[in-house]
Amino acid sequence: AQKVTQAQTEISVVEKEDVTLDCVYETRDTTYYLFWYKQPPSGELVFLIRRNSFDEQNEISGRYSWNFQKSTSSFNFTITASQVVDSAIYFCALAKNTGNQFYFGTGTSLTVIP
Amino acid sequence: GAGVSQSPSNKVTEKGKDVELRCDPISGHTALYWYRQSLGQGLEFLIYFQGNSAPDKSGLPSDRFSAERTGGSVSTLTIQRTQQEDSAVYLCASSLGGGLAVNEQFFGPGTRLTVL
Repeated sequence: AQKVTQAQTEISVVEKEDVTLDCVYETRDTTYYLFWYKQPPSGELVFLIRRNSFDEQNEISGRYSWNFQKSTSSFNFTITASQVVDSAIYFCALAKNTGNQFYFGTGTSLTVIP
Repeated sequence: GAGVSQSPSNKVTEKGKDVELRCDPISGHTALYWYRQSLGQGLEFLIYFQGNSAPDKSGLPSDRFSAERTGGSVSTLTIQRTQQEDSAVYLCASSLGGGLAVNEQFFGPGTRLTVL
């Protein structure tokens, strides 16, 4: 069975603080994909990153970074020096190699306080 | 270029009525997905289309739900005899499909369905 758990329902931070959003997944597949999406207050989900199961290199994109650890089945997302515009709901998702199903976590609502 | 569009943006209906929700995917995207997002919940997978293959309907919650995709492009999600528990935001997404990798999905703005 495939499952994604985002244990943090809501997080509030003060602007310029760093924040890490946790994502833990379950799968028996050896090949799979992991994603992060951002859903701002406007409502439309925006793709942030894709990772396949064979690429455990961490990635940095500006203030965003991702830590993929297969040993702990985690794919955590860190925002450095948070800004008010980062306020949104963030979803982690797991996709089977066939691409026919994506399994989304319940999301973490991040509020950055100015 | 144009993104995924959905119509209507909002739909209010009475219990027992049928509704149709429309999705226009990004041109050239062969994969199309429908999801349901209820308040405070994640995205619940409903159905997946890939090219001319038979759709994956494993996520449809009941036989009142159906979807079709005409000409490999526009898709319509139909809910018959709507119930109050069907109230949610229905999201459509498309992606480049059929390759060796699983590509990211591009989401539409959603249709907010309210069943009175």
